[in-house]
Amino acid sequence: SQQGEEDPQALSIQEGENATMNCSYKTSINNLQWYRQNSGRGLVHLILIRSNEREKHSGRLRVTLDTSKKSSSLLITASRAADTASYFCANAGGTSYGKLTFGQGTILTVHP
Amino acid sequence: DGGITQSPKYLFRKEGQNVTLSCEQNLNHDAMYWYRQDPGQGLRLIYYSQIVNDFQKGDIAEGYSVSREKKESFPLTVTSAQKNPTAFYLCASSLREDSYGYTFGSGTRLTVV
Repeated sequence: SQQGEEDPQALSIQEGENATMNCSYKTSINNLQWYRQNSGRGLVHLILIRSNEREKHSGRLRVTLDTSKKSSSLLITASRAADTASYFCANAGGTSYGKLTFGQGTILTVHP
Repeated sequence: DGGITQSPKYLFRKEGQNVTLSCEQNLNHDAMYWYRQDPGQGLRLIYYSQIVNDFQKGDIAEGYSVSREKKESFPLTVTSAQKNPTAFYLCASSLREDSYGYTFGSGTRLTVV
């Protein structure tokens, strides 16, 4: 399987705390993307980081990429109960405009 | 509003039946994809299409078929050859320029009865 691994599988925190999720992948990539999925719904694109970038920010989200370790992390700062969802990383290997390979996901629960 | 629409939301299939899941987008995206999601797992690619009248098998294409006769539409047929079809099916689309990632539909939950 070309699927990557996400760590942890589940994360439970209190509102206001930071949440960090990690993702590892196996092949070379063109870019790495993070998605969010609320229960029983489709995925929503959060942020994309290219292979020549090391860090990217979007609002309360911070993504890092270490291509030498084939890993990425997603940090959500000052979490809210509404952030409760599953978070997936996905990598686009080799060519741009290509198919994505998704990780197993991290289930984040933020308690009010 | 532009978007991607999957129907139906819930679908029940009897043993030995073929069923077709609909996916329509009005985003003018070139590429469309079908993924399968099982409980507690990530998404696995079934089929994808980068241009009209052309499509490629993904990682788990056996027991599925697709067509891409129009840019806007990418229906998935789950055939009787698919032995374990109960799952959540997600359709997605994307531009050639990948800066914006994929846009996903809201999914179809298929159950074998």
